[in-house]
Amino acid sequence: GENVEQHPSTLSVQEGDSAVIKCTYSDSASNYFPWYKQELGKGPQLIIDIRSNVGEKKDQRIAVTLNKTAKHFSLHITETQPEDSAVYFCAANAGGTSYGKLTFGQGTILTVHP
Amino acid sequence: SAVISQKPSRDICQRGTSLTIQCQVDSQVTMMFWYRQQPGQSLTLIATANQGSEATYESGFVIDKFPISRPNLTFSTLTVSNMSPEDSSIYLCSESPTGTDTQYFGPGTRLTVL
Repeated sequence: GENVEQHPSTLSVQEGDSAVIKCTYSDSASNYFPWYKQELGKGPQLIIDIRSNVGEKKDQRIAVTLNKTAKHFSLHITETQPEDSAVYFCAANAGGTSYGKLTFGQGTILTVHP
Repeated sequence: SAVISQKPSRDICQRGTSLTIQCQVDSQVTMMFWYRQQPGQSLTLIATANQGSEATYESGFVIDKFPISRPNLTFSTLTVSNMSPEDSSIYLCSESPTGTDTQYFGPGTRLTVL
């Protein structure tokens, strides 16, 4: 089955700096890669996603890049703010007959210091 | 995305008892899923809740321990049976709009087993 590795496990930045979180996946049939933000006491919130037919997607301060050949994708947050502090999870879908199933990375605790 | 609610939001239970968690979506959806998030960990898929048929369980999860119902397209329940302290986790339901891989999560149920 799919295996998703996420790095780093913790990331500390100063307000205004950029943050980058990287994930690798194992299943070459995967074609959908979402990113979730989970704040303390809440469920994961979808913040951006990318499909395998594009290499990059942006939404204001957030961008995701995908390298299908290397089987890795990354989340980029620019001009970080204290409210960006949360746990971030990457995920990949399972191709073939496992449509809809997501496998999650281990999570990254992002702390943005004012 | 649909609005997803879960009940209860949290509970403290005694060893050996069972708890049923409800998940309600405000629009009809095809796919609903149940995840477990152990303390400080990532999300692990328990099962896919299929409307009108038995749930599809992932490796390591069995129906006797985690019975799931899906009586219609907007509602599902997960029961955690014969609980032990190792079952202390956040239990999350998610929904996937018809024809997409995108998943949206509920707020979660925080379960503590003493």
